[in-house]
Amino acid sequence: DAKTTQPNSMESNEEEPVHLPCNHSTISGTDYIHWYRQLPSQGPEYVIHGLTSNVNNRMASLAIAEDRKSSTLILHRATLRDAAVYYCILSLPNTGNQFYFGTGTSLTVIP
Amino acid sequence: KAGVTQTPRYLIKTRGQQVTLSCSPISGHRSVSWYQQTPGQGLQFLFEYFSETQRNKGNFPGRFSGRQFSNSRSEMNVSTLELGDSALYLCASSLDGGPNQPQHFGDGTRLSIL
Repeated sequence: DAKTTQPNSMESNEEEPVHLPCNHSTISGTDYIHWYRQLPSQGPEYVIHGLTSNVNNRMASLAIAEDRKSSTLILHRATLRDAAVYYCILSLPNTGNQFYFGTGTSLTVIP
Repeated sequence: KAGVTQTPRYLIKTRGQQVTLSCSPISGHRSVSWYQQTPGQGLQFLFEYFSETQRNKGNFPGRFSGRQFSNSRSEMNVSTLELGDSALYLCASSLDGGPNQPQHFGDGTRLSIL
């Protein structure tokens, strides 16, 4: 299994930035780092992904360590709608859509 | 653009029955994957189909099977249902299943076994 390690839970105040960490020390050079989030009673939702360089999109930013053994998902201003379980996943080549979901980080946003 | 559609949303069956779940991917997507989500085991990969062929398979018994049609729509079947099969079954699609592609998930079918 492509292993990632995340904290079980985190809290953030509304309208403050949130940094969600992920360790993936066994990552290979061709493995992409994906982040998804899941709100209650919904399927996972794609957030962002990257390979080596930091990435930005309208939802979040992804900061990837130089050695690629860790990454951080950054939500710039947390809102109540960002309360969800966040999953950090390695996407390996030649495995189709075979994602290994860990337990993820449950993010609580405090009004 | 329509998202991934899964039907039915809810299903109740009894032990020993069989069930078929359906997934319509995003238009143009040819890779479809299935996942099982339970409180105890989390999200687990079942299998992936691409161009009507099963390309990858997770660690589930043979009671779990699937297929994909020429229009990329997919079905999964579970035979001889057990209480432990109660779960949320999720389908995801992507263009061709490459590691650089996001997967788009449906909202799942919640299966309850009595």
